[in-house]
Amino acid sequence: DAKTTQPNSMESNEEEPVHLPCNHSTISGTDYIHWYRQLPSQGPEYVIHGLTSNVNNRMASLAIAEDRKSSTLILHRATLRDAAVYYCIPNTGNQFYFGTGTSLTVIP
Amino acid sequence: DAGVIQSPRHEVTEMGQEVTLRCKPISGHDYLFWYRQTMMRGLELLIYFNNNVPIDDSGMPEDRFSAKMPNASFSTLKIQPSEPRDSAVYFCASSLAGGRTNGYTFGSGTRLTVV
Repeated sequence: DAKTTQPNSMESNEEEPVHLPCNHSTISGTDYIHWYRQLPSQGPEYVIHGLTSNVNNRMASLAIAEDRKSSTLILHRATLRDAAVYYCIPNTGNQFYFGTGTSLTVIP
Repeated sequence: DAGVIQSPRHEVTEMGQEVTLRCKPISGHDYLFWYRQTMMRGLELLIYFNNNVPIDDSGMPEDRFSAKMPNASFSTLKIQPSEPRDSAVYFCASSLAGGRTNGYTFGSGTRLTVV
């Protein structure tokens, strides 16, 4: 699986957009890019995934660089409930390996 | 849909005792995963099953750990004998047709404390 680099932590003001970056320069052509988040005292939660094109769902948007070596998870309006650790996971097989992720703090 | 159900939510046991963690995956999901999370090591994949068959157990730390999936609706992770360094939160997750094109659904976890 490809190695990932994410900031250890980020802060955002409530109701402002948040862009969470992830570098995955060793990604292979068949790796999907998955994002999960883990709220305090809960199990990880699926957020979004994509292969080449940008993706949107009710939770977030995923912007994938043209060379696929990086991606950005976009939360359009951060709420206090979005405070969590966000994991970026390039994945080929059926198993996911979680890195250390980005801890997002949302400031009221 | 009740989601992935794990029991117990909390377990405190003495060193040397046997511990059994339980997981009920989402009905219809054919993949089941066991993870362990600690502050030091983060989320570690221990083992995963496909159609009740163990596929990869390379993450199981020692022979003290064993996992079974006797049917599509139930899995156990057993630690015998338990040690203080096994203290962690253990998560079970399930998926339809693997994780690559479908998301995982995680349970709420079992917090294990070995004293």
